[in-house]
Amino acid sequence: AQSVTQLDSQVPVFEEAPVELRCNYSSSVSVYLFWYVQYPNQGLQLLLKYLSGSTLVKGINGFEAEFNKSQTSFHLRKPSVHISDTAEYFCAVSGRGSEKLVFGKGTKLTVNP
Amino acid sequence: GAVVSQHPSRVICKSGTSVKIECRSLDFQATTMFWYRQFPKQSLMLMATSNEGSKATYEQGVEKDKFLINHASLTLSTLTVTSAHPEDSSFYICSASPGDSRIEQYFGPGTRLTVT
Repeated sequence: AQSVTQLDSQVPVFEEAPVELRCNYSSSVSVYLFWYVQYPNQGLQLLLKYLSGSTLVKGINGFEAEFNKSQTSFHLRKPSVHISDTAEYFCAVSGRGSEKLVFGKGTKLTVNP
Repeated sequence: GAVVSQHPSRVICKSGTSVKIECRSLDFQATTMFWYRQFPKQSLMLMATSNEGSKATYEQGVEKDKFLINHASLTLSTLTVTSAHPEDSSFYICSASPGDSRIEQYFGPGTRLTVT
């Protein structure tokens, strides 16, 4: 079984500042890792995913994440945030061979002017 | 590409009635569809996995007789909440996985159910 821990429930930042949203996972098997964004009253949009290969993954809207197997982490970063990045961000994991996604509890990113 | 729609986006029903939520993959065939429930300010909890033409697989603690899932075609899955009660009020989100890949899921916009 897999589990995901998002270490921060809320992250407030100022516009144009860098941001890191932290995600740690546990699994007894190799994993696929995902970051999703959810705007109010909407479904989830995939930001990026790690399936294999390079541990640095670039996604949409200027986000990137780095898979660190030794630390079982997959932190999400953006060098300069915009007001429009204000949303809920979910880290998710699935075990290889499994189609089920396990989600973290989410991190609410609030970008202030 | 990879668009998933849900209908309705919002529904209000009276306690004791049933409500059906549709999930459609608009531009791909979805071998597998998933139904999630999200409580306010919480994460998504997987309710069930459905494969086209077969019975849904429910997660532990989810009442299959209350949450009826039908995956009648490769582009449509429905979730029927039977005899709804106020505690069933929630945000229900579906996702669909293309036939050639079970790794990625594409999410619908969600349905807000309010039971009065």
